[in-house]
Amino acid sequence: DAKTTQPPSMDCAEGRAANLPCNHSTISGNEYVYWYRQIHSQGPQYIIHGLKNNETNEMASLIITEDRKSSTLILPHATLRDTAVYYCIVRPYTGTASKLTFGTGTRLQVTL
Amino acid sequence: KAGVTQTPRYLIKTRGQQVTLSCSPISGHRSVSWYQQTPGQGLQFLFEYFSETQRNKGNFPGRFSGRQFSNSRSEMNVSTLELGDSALYLCASGQDGNEKLFFGSGTQLSVL
Repeated sequence: DAKTTQPPSMDCAEGRAANLPCNHSTISGNEYVYWYRQIHSQGPQYIIHGLKNNETNEMASLIITEDRKSSTLILPHATLRDTAVYYCIVRPYTGTASKLTFGTGTRLQVTL
Repeated sequence: KAGVTQTPRYLIKTRGQQVTLSCSPISGHRSVSWYQQTPGQGLQFLFEYFSETQRNKGNFPGRFSGRQFSNSRSEMNVSTLELGDSALYLCASGQDGNEKLFFGSGTQLSVL
């Protein structure tokens, strides 16, 4: 799986958009970008994934650059409940979600 | 639909003992993975079971083992506990063809 680099922490005001960057400069053509988050004392939660096109679901949007070397997870209107550690994972599509390699993630703090 | 259920939620053991953790996946999911989370090493993949067979394995000693039953429920066993085995053990379930993983809330194991 390609290596990812994320800032260790970020702050965001409640109601504002939270933009979480992820660098994956060694990504290969068959690798997808996945995002999970972990709220304190809970297991990680799947957010979104994509290959090269921008993706949006009810939780977030994923913007992948044209060269695919970086991506940004966007929470459009952050709330206090979005305070969590966000993990960016790059891996090939295998048809299963087995053997995810989690990095250290970005600790997002949403404040009033 | 019920989520992934892990029992017990908390466990305290002493060095040298063994422990068994239980995981009930989401109904219809045949893949069950186990992860260990510690402050120092983060989230690390232990192993994955699919249809009662171990399909993937992480880099952990043989003291860590698991099994899956015909109803997809899984157990994880750690023998001869060491202080360093103190961690949050997370179980996740998934479906082949769907790369989302669904995690339980984990079992917090403390080894004294």
